[in-house]
Amino acid sequence: GAGVSQSPRYKVAKRGQDVALRCDPISGHVSLFWYQQALGQGPEFLTYFQNEAQLDKSGLPSDRFFAERPEGSVSTLKIQRTQQEDSAVYLCASSSTWSGLETQYFGPGTRLLVL
Amino acid sequence: SQQGEEDPQALSIQEGENATMNCSYKTSINNLQWYRQNSGRGLVHLILIRSNEREKHSGRLRVTLDTSKKSSSLLITASRAADTASYFCATDDTGGFKTIFGAGTRLFVKA
Repeated sequence: GAGVSQSPRYKVAKRGQDVALRCDPISGHVSLFWYQQALGQGPEFLTYFQNEAQLDKSGLPSDRFFAERPEGSVSTLKIQRTQQEDSAVYLCASSSTWSGLETQYFGPGTRLLVL
Repeated sequence: SQQGEEDPQALSIQEGENATMNCSYKTSINNLQWYRQNSGRGLVHLILIRSNEREKHSGRLRVTLDTSKKSSSLLITASRAADTASYFCATDDTGGFKTIFGAGTRLFVKA
């Protein structure tokens, strides 16, 4: 595709609600990353996929966060029982390299507000 | 927690002036990258410098890397109002697959 796309762009959730955030990476990109960006801060790594394999999930803040990429393309980040501290921008990035240590192409992000 | 620390946190300059931002990191790296983020938008990759390189240029951008001091600098020459953005350095985690971003430098270029 032309670039990384994410949906929805904005999501308002009530505390305790489950949300699902979608990422469509650039077609053919092997590596996919999820980040969480709080206001005024840099992105914080959440998890990394190499094709469908989740090779690093060390950044997921709790077991309420779950990510999948079942066919090695589209990925979904799910947050269960949302809390106010989950309010942030969630960024997805993809890379053509196996390790993801090269250029990453970022989507516009999903801005999540938990009330 | 974030590995990288950018300095200064904020920078305001006049159009045409040069802007220098610094980044420090804590652990060994394979490469270091700089990204730009305009207000409310996604990040855009600017330049990548590998651990065995000391300096790299791309247009009006000049990046240096000093692995002995675990630091990097980004110089933007002849700045333009369109350069107004937040700038982040990002390093890889040689032990895993993480990319670790700093907190960013907010650059404001006045026309």
